[in-house]
Amino acid sequence: NAGVMQNPRHLVRRRGQEARLRCSPMKGHSHVYWYRQLPEEGLKFMVYLQKENIIDESGMPKERFSAEFPKEGPSILRIQQVVRGDSAAYFCASSPYFQEGLSTEAFFGQGTRLTVV
Amino acid sequence: QKEVEQDPGPLSVPEGAIVSLNCTYSNSAFQYFMWYRQYSRKGPELLMYTYSSGNKEDGRFTAQVDKSSKYISLFIRDSQPSDSATYLCAMTARGGGYQKVTFGIGTKLQVIP
Repeated sequence: NAGVMQNPRHLVRRRGQEARLRCSPMKGHSHVYWYRQLPEEGLKFMVYLQKENIIDESGMPKERFSAEFPKEGPSILRIQQVVRGDSAAYFCASSPYFQEGLSTEAFFGQGTRLTVV
Repeated sequence: QKEVEQDPGPLSVPEGAIVSLNCTYSNSAFQYFMWYRQYSRKGPELLMYTYSSGNKEDGRFTAQVDKSSKYISLFIRDSQPSDSATYLCAMTARGGGYQKVTFGIGTKLQVIP
């Protein structure tokens, strides 16, 4: 059973370009969470999705960022018109279902390191 | 003031030492506490999970929660070079899912052979 797969592992974009980050959850997992990790800030929640639904996007910047989790295929985090401040490691995690108290573990992918030049 | 405070280190210890990693928090609603280990260039992996106050032991690892002091700890006994990683504390309140988890900044640990 493959773990959470993220690609690409490294992504370099010039300012103004678009970045697309992909996350394939573990088999049987229908809940996906995206996080951003900056060296001085730690892991910050961005968005929580189930298949075809955005459940909570309270951590997403209002502009340029969007996320989807289609019925078929991976979850996509899309960043339009990237700026230097978007350079970070982006992680996704998946879990089989929501459960209060987190007794169900969410498994993290290896991350995509975005560098904006 | 951050909701969760964690010393980023780095912390260097000799092999075999007992390591103590700590976090303090300000939100008294937090009830679920976790420790993650993150190797360089990898994703976090769950090490320990505790609910409310008390101790939990798993092999060489012991997690301790003191809700009265809003203080949590992770102890690693007989530390090994393979324990060298960044350790993240994480916590959330009742009713929260992973979208409500607040992570510490992480403490970088190096175990010297």
